Amino acid sequence: SQQGEEDPQALSIQEGENATMNCSYKTSINNLQWYRQNSGRGLVHLILIRSNEREKHSGRLRVTLDTSKKSSSLLITASRAADTASYFCATAGDTGTASKLTFGTGTRLQVTL
Amino acid sequence: EPEVTQTPSHQVTQMGQEVILRCVPISNHLYFYWYRQILGQKVEFLVSFYNNEISEKSEIFDDQFSVERPDGSNFTLKIRSTKLEDSAMYFCASSDGYRSAFFGQGTRLTVV
Repeated sequence: SQQGEEDPQALSIQEGENATMNCSYKTSINNLQWYRQNSGRGLVHLILIRSNEREKHSGRLRVTLDTSKKSSSLLITASRAADTASYFCATAGDTGTASKLTFGTGTRLQVTL
Repeated sequence: EPEVTQTPSHQVTQMGQEVILRCVPISNHLYFYWYRQILGQKVEFLVSFYNNEISEKSEIFDDQFSVERPDGSNFTLKIRSTKLEDSAMYFCASSDGYRSAFFGQGTRLTVV
């Protein structure tokens, strides 16, 4: 498998429910980031977690990072229809924050009313 | 909030033609990147640029590709002789080296 694989590939939930997406990676990282992409549009940065952090919150988003398992999860609480999008994890190598990002395959989230 | 601007938003070109994709990074950023996303696939790194030179490039970034920062504000990606398989969304990004990269809205390149 490749660096940065998310699961599930697709997730369908109802508004108000929580959505959890997982990401696994293979190499050492400086940080891991989550991005959102609405269909055919640009990448919107959601949250960055550094390799020495275990959990981070931003609004309705909660990200965890387990460097021993080389995995991360993104939790969106109380989902809304506007959260419908594809979500990607991206890892930055251990050369620092300026290093290139390696993106995962993405999770397509559908939130229905 | 500052943003990365890409033009055009959509470009259609004939196979074999040269295209130049343009980007205006965030003004105080020093690191610049191009990524691409073929429809339905993951976002792939192409090249990073710092201090007026390429700092890293991927296998995709072959001799058909080049980047340039012709003045203090623009950052361009040139594809010399486009192929059908170059059809993709191309994203420019910039970073100050401390925080996450900011991405533009992308240029959708269609090669016919």
